[in-house]
Amino acid sequence: GENVEQHPSTLSVQEGDSAVIKCTYSDSASNYFPWYKQELGKRPQLIIDIRSNVGEKKDQRIAVTLNKTAKHFSLHITETQPEDSAVYFCAAKEGSQGNLIFGKGTKLSVKP
Amino acid sequence: ETGVTQSPTHLIKTRGQQVTLRCSSQSGHNTVSWYQQALGQGPQFIFQYYREEENGRGNFPPRFSGLQFPNYSSELNVNALELDDSALYLCASSLNAGEETQYFGPGTRLLVL
Repeated sequence: GENVEQHPSTLSVQEGDSAVIKCTYSDSASNYFPWYKQELGKRPQLIIDIRSNVGEKKDQRIAVTLNKTAKHFSLHITETQPEDSAVYFCAAKEGSQGNLIFGKGTKLSVKP
Repeated sequence: ETGVTQSPTHLIKTRGQQVTLRCSSQSGHNTVSWYQQALGQGPQFIFQYYREEENGRGNFPPRFSGLQFPNYSSELNVNALELDDSALYLCASSLNAGEETQYFGPGTRLLVL
C-alpha cells in the first residue's frame, strides 16, 4: 500500500521568510496530492492540491510542486505570516480507492 | 451550502464499552470517509462509504464498523473500546467516490479510560 513520508516534523521561520515542507510517496499509481492545514483543536482544512498531470500549482502565497519521477511533492509558503502557524499535512490518494494516506505532519511556527 | 458536521464533539468512555459517532456530509456529497487521528499524528483511514455501501477499508479491526444512511449521513461504531482508541475521529465527505477532494468535519474527540 501507499506510504507517505513528510519532513521536517517541525519548522520555525521568521515572519516574511519562506517555508518549504517536503513529502515523498511510494505508490507510483497515486495521482492526487492534497495539503491540509490544521490549527490547534480544529479540523484539517484543504489549502491546495495537485494532480499528477500537473507539475506545479500556485494560489497566492502558496505553491505545490510535484516530481512524479522522484515521487516527491513539496509545499512552498512565501512571505509567511504568524497566522500561517499550524500543523501541515501532506497526503496521497491511494491507487484506485478514494482514501487518503497522510504524512505525520509538520508543525510550522512563524515568529513575528 | 452546509459543511460537514459531527456529533458529539467530545466523549469519555471506559474500556470495553461501545461508542457511536455521527457525521453529516456536506450538502450534495454522497461519499463519507472516516479517519482516526491520534495525538501528534496524521489521520489514518478507517473506511469509506459510498451510497450506503462500504467502499474500501483501512487496517482497522472488525470492531470498527460503520453505516451510511439514505441521506448520506454516516455512523462509526466502535465495540469493546481499548485505551488506544483514544483519538480524534474525523469524517470527510466528497462529492462522490471518484472525486478526490475531501472536506473534513470538526471531529469527535474520544477519550477511553
